Amino acid sequence: GAGVSQSPSNKVTEKGKDVELRCDPISGHTALYWYRQSLGQGLEFLIYFQGNSAPDKSGLPSDRFSAERTGGSVSTLTIQRTQQEDSAVYLCASSLLRSRVGSNEKLFFGSGTQLSVL
Amino acid sequence: AQSVTQLGSHVSVSEGALVLLRCNYSSSVPPYLFWYVQYPNQGLQLLLKYTTGATLVKGINGFEAEFKKSETSFHLTKPSAHMSDAAEYFCAVSAGNMLTFGGGTRLMVKP
Repeated sequence: GAGVSQSPSNKVTEKGKDVELRCDPISGHTALYWYRQSLGQGLEFLIYFQGNSAPDKSGLPSDRFSAERTGGSVSTLTIQRTQQEDSAVYLCASSLLRSRVGSNEKLFFGSGTQLSVL
Repeated sequence: AQSVTQLGSHVSVSEGALVLLRCNYSSSVPPYLFWYVQYPNQGLQLLLKYTTGATLVKGINGFEAEFKKSETSFHLTKPSAHMSDAAEYFCAVSAGNMLTFGGGTRLMVKP
C-alpha cells in the first residue's frame, strides 16, 4: 500500500478480553515498530522487528503483551486479559532498513489504533 | 541510555507569532535528533531531523531546529505561526537501536 495501515482504527473492549491489533507496513520495509501513546504521555516504545525476528522486546510492559510478524510483512500486536491501563493509541511504524534508527531511514507511521478498555 | 525532555506540555501562540518548542536530550553517544508532528486524527509525520553536518536543520512547513551540543538542545522554531500548525509535536533522539520520544507539546494557535 501507499502507507502504513493499521486496523482497527478504534477498538472498544471489556476488561479481561483479548485484543489483536494489526499493522500492514509499507511494502518492502524490513523494519517495523510498535509504539504506545497513553493519554497525557509521550510515545512509549514497545517492540521492533527486523524481518520476522524481534531482537528488542524490552518495551513490552508485561507478559500479557506479545507481537509477531509473518512473511516479513504484516504484524499483529496481541494484548491478553486487557486492563484499563492498556487504554491508549497503539502506533505502528515501518522503515526500509534497520541500521541505526533514522540514520538515513525515514520512519513512516500509521494512524494508530485507539484502544479503549472499559 | 538516552532521554528526551520537552518543556511545556502545552504552548499557545497567536497567529503570526514566533513558535518556539523546546527540547533537551541526554545521550551517551552522538545523537540523531528528530521532530515529529501529529495533526488531529492523523499519524505521526517527520518534520525534520539532524544526523550529521549543518546544525541548523530546515524541515517542512517552514519549521527549523538547531542542534546545540553545548546546551544538549534541539529546539523547534517557526517565525510565524499559522492556524494549521495546531498539532502535537514530539522530539525524539536516536543513539543506538532505540528511538526515544519526549512527552510531546501541544501547540495551540489563537486567531
